[in-house]
Amino acid sequence: EVRLVQSGAEVKKPGESLKISCKGSGYIFTSYWIAWVRHMPGKGLEWMGSINAADSDVRYSPSFQGQVTISVDKSISASFLHWSSLRASDTAMYYCARRRYGDSPQTFFDPWGQGTLVIVSS
Amino acid sequence: QSVLTQPPSASGTPGQRVTISCSGSSSNIGSNIVNWYQQLPGTAPKVLIYSNDERPSGVPDRFSGSKSGTSASLAISGLQSEDEADYFCEAWDDGLNGPVFGGGTKLTVL
Repeated sequence: EVRLVQSGAEVKKPGESLKISCKGSGYIFTSYWIAWVRHMPGKGLEWMGSINAADSDVRYSPSFQGQVTISVDKSISASFLHWSSLRASDTAMYYCARRRYGDSPQTFFDPWGQGTLVIVSS
Repeated sequence: QSVLTQPPSASGTPGQRVTISCSGSSSNIGSNIVNWYQQLPGTAPKVLIYSNDERPSGVPDRFSGSKSGTSASLAISGLQSEDEADYFCEAWDDGLNGPVFGGGTKLTVL
């Protein structure tokens, strides 16, 4: 079974750093791109960026460029989403999802991780 | 404000047919495929329809998708209580050079 399992919920203070993870199993991890998607309370989903698990090539949405860092560790089949300095406005659910056929107009997200809730509050 | 526009809510009674719309522009739906995702309460989204009208294995044929111009629709026939969920549309946007989503539609089975 193809699965993406994300790390657990986090409660952090503004200004703190954070790295959440997404571990793939049941497929050849390096054959696919992994994307990260933000879901803020009461809002729609937002694509943050995608990373090629084979060579770590990363594409960011302009809205998130410079705000987060997406990385991958092939040795443990995991992708990471990192903040160096969190803000209250980063409070959201974050999903990772596999890009089925590369990161292109002809693909879709499948499967999705279970989500990681990040709460940033002083 | 999401790039793709969906009604925030929809409802129907068991057995009915409901449709959920998704409106975009020439830079997304008008030139690229549309995908639909179902998010059951407390779970992660899962792909329901891909490439406008294709169903992954395991998705009942009660679910169907269509696209015309810069709009797309998800239809659910023979509505069941287990269909109560949030539904999101998604398409690649050529201006963003990445995927964009609708705001989601909460389907209630009365």
